Amino acid sequence: GENVEQHPSTLSVQEGDSAVIKCTYSDSASNYFPWYKQELGKGPQLIIDIRSNVGEKKDQRIAVTLNKTAKHFSLHITETQPEDSAVYFCAAPSYALNFGKGTSLLVTP
Amino acid sequence: GAGVSQSPSNKVTEKGKDVELRCDPISGHTALYWYRQSLGQGLEFLIYFQGNSAPDKSGLPSDRFSAERTGGSVSTLTIQRTQQEDSAVYLCASSLVDTGSGNTIYFGEGSWLTVV
Repeated sequence: GENVEQHPSTLSVQEGDSAVIKCTYSDSASNYFPWYKQELGKGPQLIIDIRSNVGEKKDQRIAVTLNKTAKHFSLHITETQPEDSAVYFCAAPSYALNFGKGTSLLVTP
Repeated sequence: GAGVSQSPSNKVTEKGKDVELRCDPISGHTALYWYRQSLGQGLEFLIYFQGNSAPDKSGLPSDRFSAERTGGSVSTLTIQRTQQEDSAVYLCASSLVDTGSGNTIYFGEGSWLTVV
């Protein structure tokens, strides 16, 4: 089955700085890579996803890059704000999603 | 409904009792998933339904855990003879078809289970 590794487990940045979270996956057939944000006491919410036919996708302050050869993908958040503080999960699919262990992001004012 | 609905949102139960957790997926979604999240931990896959069938039950932690889905819609996760280590958030999610096709899965807010 698919194995997803995520780093770092915790990340602290100052407001306005950028944050980068990286994930690797094992199954070269995987073709869909979503990122979820989980705020305290809530279920995970999809924030961005990328499919294997593109190398980068942007949505305002967030972007995801994909390197299929190296089997890794990354989440980039620019101009971070305190409301970006949350746990972020990457995932790769089989019939269900296999999630990384999560990154706890803290943005300090 | 508009999103995945789970009930109860919170449940405190005594060790040894049985509990049932309910999930109502997004209308029209054929795939349904249960995950477990222990405090401060990641998302542990439990079981996946396609329609009313469960092709993969490999994530269920023990034979005290079971799940069913009826009418291709509502699903129930049952934990028998609860133990303290069962305390966690149980998250349900659904998607149009399975994620192997690149379909987005949508999560409910979870059922917080505490076994005392």
